[in-house]
Amino acid sequence: AQRVTQPEKLLSVFKGAPVELKCNYSYSGSPELFWYVQYSRQRLQLLLRHISRESIKGFTADLNKGETSFHLKKPFAQEEDSAMYYCALIYGSSNTGKLIFGQGTTLQVKP
Amino acid sequence: DAGITQSPRHKVTETGTPVTLRCHQTENHRYMYWYRQDPGHGLRLIHYSYGVKDTDKGEVSDGYSVSRSKTEDFLLTLESATSSQTSVYFCAIAPGVNTVEQYFGPGTRLTVT
Repeated sequence: AQRVTQPEKLLSVFKGAPVELKCNYSYSGSPELFWYVQYSRQRLQLLLRHISRESIKGFTADLNKGETSFHLKKPFAQEEDSAMYYCALIYGSSNTGKLIFGQGTTLQVKP
Repeated sequence: DAGITQSPRHKVTETGTPVTLRCHQTENHRYMYWYRQDPGHGLRLIHYSYGVKDTDKGEVSDGYSVSRSKTEDFLLTLESATSSQTSVYFCAIAPGVNTVEQYFGPGTRLTVT
């Protein structure tokens, strides 16, 4: 069965420190993975998707099929990065767009 | 923000009463989704729609029904609310599937007493 696991409920770092938010998945097909972010008092929004291999707000994420991971990284955290981060996986047949989310990780960047 | 609104934004209701939440979009997107957000579970898909009158179940559909009679509106109904359905409910829309971004509404906080 498909599953997305984010092992850390809370990650607390100091400003300027590197950040790695962990995401592991279980899926029998070819995975399509995303990171969504929810800033305080804002809507959940897409941060990045693995297929585009882009860097958004300094964040990157590489799909590692061998380790079934899609960790989110940023070399130098900023206070404005504080938010809830969700890793998500598309599953099911190709015409549904169904997402399964991890439990979420709260990133707290201290000054 | 994409043109998605949810109503009501907050609701308190009693166990056993029916509740309907509304999601309204102005983007003319084909796909619409209902999720619930709970601590320790992240977001879980309840039901989704891939067109007018075309709906299907998600991960946690028991106790919920949906209807979509117009492109712009997707209704979620709790036939007989239970305390376990206390949650924050999010609607999302998407023009396509798979690699296409889903846009989320502001959420509805439902408390069942």
